Parts: sequence; structure tokens; C-alpha cells
Amino acid sequence: DIVLTQSPDTLSLSPGEVATLSCRASQRISYNYLAWYQQKPGQPPRLLIYGASIRAAGIPDRFSGSGSGTDFTLTINTLEPEDFAGYSCHQYVMSPWTFGQGTKVEIK
Amino acid sequence: EVQLVESGGGLVQPGGSLKLSCAASGFTFSDSAVHWVRQASGKGLEWVGHVRTAFNFFATAYAASVKGRFTVSRDDSANTAYLQMNRLKAEDTAVYYCGRQKLDGSGYHIDYWGRGTLVTVSS
Repeated sequence: DIVLTQSPDTLSLSPGEVATLSCRASQRISYNYLAWYQQKPGQPPRLLIYGASIRAAGIPDRFSGSGSGTDFTLTINTLEPEDFAGYSCHQYVMSPWTFGQGTKVEIK
Repeated sequence: EVQLVESGGGLVQPGGSLKLSCAASGFTFSDSAVHWVRQASGKGLEWVGHVRTAFNFFATAYAASVKGRFTVSRDDSANTAYLQMNRLKAEDTAVYYCGRQKLDGSGYHIDYWGRGTLVTVSS
């Protein structure tokens, strides 16, 4: 199974700052089949990024994804109040599909 | 508008069974694979299993933690997917989400999710 490890577990930042979230895979993710989701309490995940770097429809351009192989990054430029939430990476290259444990972006 | 609505959650005793439903609308259900993902309170997302389309013979796959106890199926005539859960354990307690994989092929991710249904396994 591909294990995804996200870091840090919690990121404490202020609005307007830049958030950099990491996702490391235990083995190479071919074709960059990696997605990022945002989740707020009591809500389902919301797709942000797929193919490691492709923004989903309606996602603001302050969200960007990068990386390849085993190391991937989600960057949120100029944090808005609504961006303080949980974020999970997810690989869909190989069954069983797996998720990272999540990173919480909280207000400092 | 793509919509997925889960139902069937509730309180069940350890060792019991429960069947969840995922009703889909707003897209061609028969073209999409359907995934089930769960989330225990305060924890991360855990992929449970999926059912593929008729083109792929309704093939299924499961996480090791549920294999042999859970069964994913679908009824394309009703635009609905199901998760049959047997021999439930306390550690199966979670919110269960269904998710749409738009096209049943390599490289397609889960793009829409339902709002989830809570399953509590307790005596």
C-alpha cells in the first residue's frame, strides 16, 4: 500500500500569510495521480487539486499544487479567513487508494 | 448539478449489520465508479472500497480493514450504490461518505462527495 505522510500536522498562521503543506509518499506516485482536498468541520471533503497541480473547477488561484514522484506540496497564497480548515492529500494511482492523515491550518 | 445523498446510518450493536445507500443524480451514474470513504471523529479519511461500472464487470475492491465483512454494490437502474456492512466492530464507527469517480478508468479521481451518514457501533 502507498502510505502518505503529511506535514506538519498543524500549521498556525495569520490571514494574509502563505501556507505550505507537504505530502510525502512511501513509493513513487506515477502520472502524478495525487489530489488535495479541503475539509471543514461537519462538511464533506472538497476537491482542490488533482493531477498534483491542476486546480478543480471554481477553486481560487491562490491554491496551487506542485511536486512529483514521492514529494508533493499544496501552497495557499495570501490566506483568506475561509481557508482555515483541514487539508488531505490522496493518491489514486494504485488500489487501495489512500489518504494522508491531514494537516490542520489554524488561525494564529 | 451533481448530487450524492447517503442514507442508512445509525446505531448498531457490535457484530450487527447495516446497509448504507448512496443515491446519485445530476450525471450519468452508469459511467462512474463509486467509492466509499469513512472518517472517524477527529481522524483522517480512510478509503473503504469501490464498485466499478458494468464496462468493468462491476468489479470491487476493499481496504484490508473491511475485506470479507463489507460489500459494495450498485443498481444503475436506481442510480444508487450500496455498502453492506456485516460483523461490525466498534472501530467501524465513523461518518461514511460516498464519492463519485467521474469516469471509471485510470487517472480519474473522486470529484464529488455526499454529505455523509454516521454509523455508530456500540452496545
